[in-house]
Amino acid sequence: GAGVSQSPSNKVTEKGKDVELRCDPISGHTALYWYRQSLGQGLEFLIYFQGNSAPDKSGLPSDRFSAERTGGSVSTLTIQRTQQEDSAVYLCASSLGLGSYEQYFGPGTRLTVT
Amino acid sequence: SQQGEEDPQALSIQEGENATMNCSYKTSINNLQWYRQNSGRGLVHLILIRSNEREKHSGRLRVTLDTSKKSSSLLITASRAADTASYFCATTGSYQKVTFGIGTKLQVIP
Repeated sequence: GAGVSQSPSNKVTEKGKDVELRCDPISGHTALYWYRQSLGQGLEFLIYFQGNSAPDKSGLPSDRFSAERTGGSVSTLTIQRTQQEDSAVYLCASSLGLGSYEQYFGPGTRLTVT
Repeated sequence: SQQGEEDPQALSIQEGENATMNCSYKTSINNLQWYRQNSGRGLVHLILIRSNEREKHSGRLRVTLDTSKKSSSLLITASRAADTASYFCATTGSYQKVTFGIGTKLQVIP
């Protein structure tokens, strides 16, 4: 079946603009994760969803970041008033459930804020 | 320092040699996973080891876990040029939060 897809694959935006990143998880996967990876760095955990619920939002870098998931499927990560330090690859992953399940990653969205 | 720190940060070996990467963490975990990343994009899951397991094998991969030392190692035997990638460990702790390390960049020279 289809894997995790993300759109857009690349996004260039001007500082101060809002951007919306989309993640389509694997059908049937109840858990969904968002990560950020800066150039040459490890993954920074942002937020996870179990169904439509996000129990822990403490990983979001600032209040400019928000995420939602509807219908237990598609998720969007929104960054308001983008800053240059927001430039990174944003990765989404899904898994059958939380805990001891492998995560399947999408190809990521490369965000560049100019 | 952060949870899930890998060492070395970079490793260069000849094809056919074995590659060993280590991961250390600080808090208690439910499981530890290893992932591979090519070309800075999506990660691919390699292997998961639960906190009550000590060793697992998958093909040319061997993972060990020592919860008393809060460390894990990933051994790739008989390396191939196609194994060139970044390797990350990821720990799952309380509240299902998954923490990735900064990774080890492995280069296998043909």
